[in-house]
Amino acid sequence: QQQVKQSPQSLIVQKGGISIINCAYENTAFDYFPWYQQFPGKGPALLIAIRPDVSEKKEGRFTISFNKSAKQFSLHIMDSQPGDSATYFCAARSDNYGQNFVFGPGTRLSVLP
Amino acid sequence: KAGVTQTPRYLIKTRGQQVTLSCSPISGHRSVSWYQQTPGQGLQFLFEYFSETQRNKGNFPGRFSGRQFSNSRSEMNVSTLELGDSALYLCASSLEGGLNIQYFGAGTRLSVL
Repeated sequence: QQQVKQSPQSLIVQKGGISIINCAYENTAFDYFPWYQQFPGKGPALLIAIRPDVSEKKEGRFTISFNKSAKQFSLHIMDSQPGDSATYFCAARSDNYGQNFVFGPGTRLSVLP
Repeated sequence: KAGVTQTPRYLIKTRGQQVTLSCSPISGHRSVSWYQQTPGQGLQFLFEYFSETQRNKGNFPGRFSGRQFSNSRSEMNVSTLELGDSALYLCASSLEGGLNIQYFGAGTRLSVL
């Protein structure tokens, strides 16, 4: 129940294309869903996050879509750029667990020039 | 403002030894969390400290321990090292924990031979 599933494992997109990464969870106590971006040799960095009381959140080229009934959420990267090439992690947390985030296994995104 | 600093960056130990990793959070941040990152298990939460007290703990054996000092700096210790402890250990700090943004350090790469 504590798992967060993430797909695909890897993704190759042409420059200017849309990158879509999907995540699913089981624990209905989760109420905060961040996405992290990690470059090689660096720690993860928060990209964008959403609470389940909204269905979509957009920040620049990055959009989270959230489907509470299906217990799924996804990250859309519009106009993907080679600089977006990184590993992306979805995560989930419930208020009961402080900073105890459960992470998805990650998606390695490669954006071709 | 300086980011989260982890030392050392790389460490090589042998089975049975113990190791101590250090984390200096961003100035003013009182919550420090530790994560283990491996290719097989991904990012897994170890524990969170806030005001020198362990507030949350993940599902790791008692060989993994930590502490936090009055200046919010934190250390984690792994005793009786096993080969499976080889991983990237990440520290993250936030103002108060909870839903505050976590900022990750670059991690300490531990290799157990």
